[in-house]
Amino acid sequence: GAGVSQSPSNKVTEKGKDVELRCDPISGHTALYWYRQSLGQGLEFLIYFQGNSAPDKSGLPSDRFSAERTGGSVSTLTIQRTQQEDSAVYLCASSLGRDRGFEYEQYFGPGTRLTVT
Amino acid sequence: QKEVEQNSGPLSVPEGAIASLNCTYSDRGSQSFFWYRQYSGKSPELIMFIYSNGDKEDGRFTAQLNKASQYVSLLIRDSQPSDSATYLCAVNDSWGKLQFGAGTQVVVTP
Repeated sequence: GAGVSQSPSNKVTEKGKDVELRCDPISGHTALYWYRQSLGQGLEFLIYFQGNSAPDKSGLPSDRFSAERTGGSVSTLTIQRTQQEDSAVYLCASSLGRDRGFEYEQYFGPGTRLTVT
Repeated sequence: QKEVEQNSGPLSVPEGAIASLNCTYSDRGSQSFFWYRQYSGKSPELIMFIYSNGDKEDGRFTAQLNKASQYVSLLIRDSQPSDSATYLCAVNDSWGKLQFGAGTQVVVTP
C-alpha cells in the first residue's frame, strides 16, 4: 500500500519567510510524528499527534514552529520567520500508535529538505 | 548521559562477514526497540523491531534484546555492499516517546 508521503521534497526560502510542510500518513495510522535531521546529525523529535488527543509539542524548538493535523489525517508543519539554523531535513512518520506501553513501529516519509538562504 | 547510545563507527566489515551493532539505553521502563537503516540522503527505513528478551531473526538480520543489561544489538549476516548505511537504534522511553541513537555507520568492503 501507499507509504507516508511528504511535500514538497525540497524547499528553498529566504530568511524571514514562512514555510509550510505537508505530511500524508499511512491510511489507518492514528499516530503522526515530525522529526528534524540536520546534516550529519541524529533525529530530533519535534511533535507527536495521537488520534484526537492534544499533541505532544515538547520537541518544538521555538514558538516559530507549529503543527496541526486536520481530520486525524494530513498534518502541516509551519515555520514562521525562518532562520538559517532551520535548514534541515524535516521527516514525518506515522504508526498505529501505542498500546499498553508498547510502541508500534514508525514508518517514515521521504522528508522535505528545507534550505533557508 | 544520552538515553540511547551507539558507537558512531565507521564499522568496516568485509563482504560476507557478520556485522555486529550494539545499542545501550538508559530507561529501564523501555518496552519497544527498533532498528532503522538510513542510506545517505534518504529517510530511515525500518528493518527490525523487538519487544521481548532474546533473539528475533528476519532473513539476514537478527535483533537481540537483553533488558536486564539494557542493550539491544543487530547482527547482519553475509554482509553485502548494499548493507553499507547508517543504522539507527530507537527505544521508547517511559513516556512513550521514541528516542533515537545517533547511528552507527557500516561500511561493507568487497
